[in-house]
Amino acid sequence: EDQVTQSPEALRLQEGESSSLNCSYTVSGLRGLFWYRQDPGKGPEFLFTLYSAGEEKEKERLKATLTKKESFLHITAPKPEDSATYLCAVQAPGSNSGYALNFGKGTSLLVTP
Amino acid sequence: NAGVMQNPRHLVRRRGQEARLRCSPMKGHSHVYWYRQLPEEGLKFMVYLQKENIIDESGMPKERFSAEFPKEGPSILRIQQVVRGDSAAYFCASSPSSEAFFGQGTRLTVV
Repeated sequence: EDQVTQSPEALRLQEGESSSLNCSYTVSGLRGLFWYRQDPGKGPEFLFTLYSAGEEKEKERLKATLTKKESFLHITAPKPEDSATYLCAVQAPGSNSGYALNFGKGTSLLVTP
Repeated sequence: NAGVMQNPRHLVRRRGQEARLRCSPMKGHSHVYWYRQLPEEGLKFMVYLQKENIIDESGMPKERFSAEFPKEGPSILRIQQVVRGDSAAYFCASSPSSEAFFGQGTRLTVV
């Protein structure tokens, strides 16, 4: 069965203190790995899609990387507005499921001034 | 270009009542997915639909839950005879292909 495990469950950073969030996955035939940001009471907001090992994508203070077993979301010099839950999801092969996503439980990030 | 629209945002139902959740996908998107998020749990896939077709409902409970995406109008997730355990946030996502965009969700509370 496909598994997505995110760590840590919660992370508290000082403003400007860079860190990384981890997403480990086991899936046969990865079609895509996705990162989303979710604010309290809101729906997930799309951040990145990664398709193959070695791929990297950046957006402002965020950078996502992918290996054959895990993905990292690096946050450089975070600001309080980066506080949110970050969700990782994988898209596995399976023609019936289309592009359905299998999500991890998320990492809750708090950035303090 | 409006995003994925879900309504209502909040829904309170008494045990045994029916809940109807609506989702209008982004313009041009023909794929709709429903997910459920229970407290302290991750998002779980429920059902995948295209216009007038249920493609995969493997994540949906066999009883009391149904979904449709008619030719005209929004996709509907229907929960009959709700129980306390159905209390959760229900999210709809639409996509043109591989990248899914989520609505703001409907928070269902069963009292």
